[in-house]
Amino acid sequence: EAGVAQSPRYKIIEKRQSVAFWCNPISGHATLYWYQQILGQGPKLLIQFQNNGVVDDSQLPKDRFSAERLKGVDSTLKIQPAKLEDSAVYLCASSLQGAMAEAFFGQGTRLTVV
Amino acid sequence: KNQVEQSPQSLIILEGKNCTLQCNYTVSPFSNLRWYKQDTGRGPVSLTIMTFSENTKSNGRYTATLDADTKQSSLHITASQLSDSASYICVVSAKTGSNYQLIWGAGTKLIIKP
Repeated sequence: EAGVAQSPRYKIIEKRQSVAFWCNPISGHATLYWYQQILGQGPKLLIQFQNNGVVDDSQLPKDRFSAERLKGVDSTLKIQPAKLEDSAVYLCASSLQGAMAEAFFGQGTRLTVV
Repeated sequence: KNQVEQSPQSLIILEGKNCTLQCNYTVSPFSNLRWYKQDTGRGPVSLTIMTFSENTKSNGRYTATLDADTKQSSLHITASQLSDSASYICVVSAKTGSNYQLIWGAGTKLIIKP
């Protein structure tokens, strides 16, 4: 069974630039998460999708971050414009159905904003 | 406020030795507790998941315990190996309305030395 795929693995951008990350969840998984993990901290949930609907985006900085999962499969997370404090690893995870099911994580995208 | 606190923040032990990592939580209403292992540069991987009625669960050399009365959990690693070097994150699930929220600890960074 293929795991959660993310790209790119690494990205370096200048502040005020924009960046997009892509995630392909495990086939058949209805729930998709985007997490931000700052060095030395646990992951912080940015947004949770159930199919193509948003379940929780309470911690997503909506003035600069956006995410979509148009067909209920792949998802993209965008930051525009980026700030220095956005430097982190962005993890995508998926589960069969909701937060009670085990979540499987991708390898993450390491973003450095300079 | 729902919180998960882990200790120690970091730990160095010699290969072959045992160790125990701690997790205290103030999460209500409690649904389940999970331990994840996160290797450097990778996404977290689930080790164990325990519900309210379970007080111990093993996965190979990893044994997790749960005391729902004192709201404490521990992860015991037996006969450590170099590959156990990683961050170990405790995650508690809380039911919020019709959804479940995952509250993540900051993790314990474990280093195994030969």
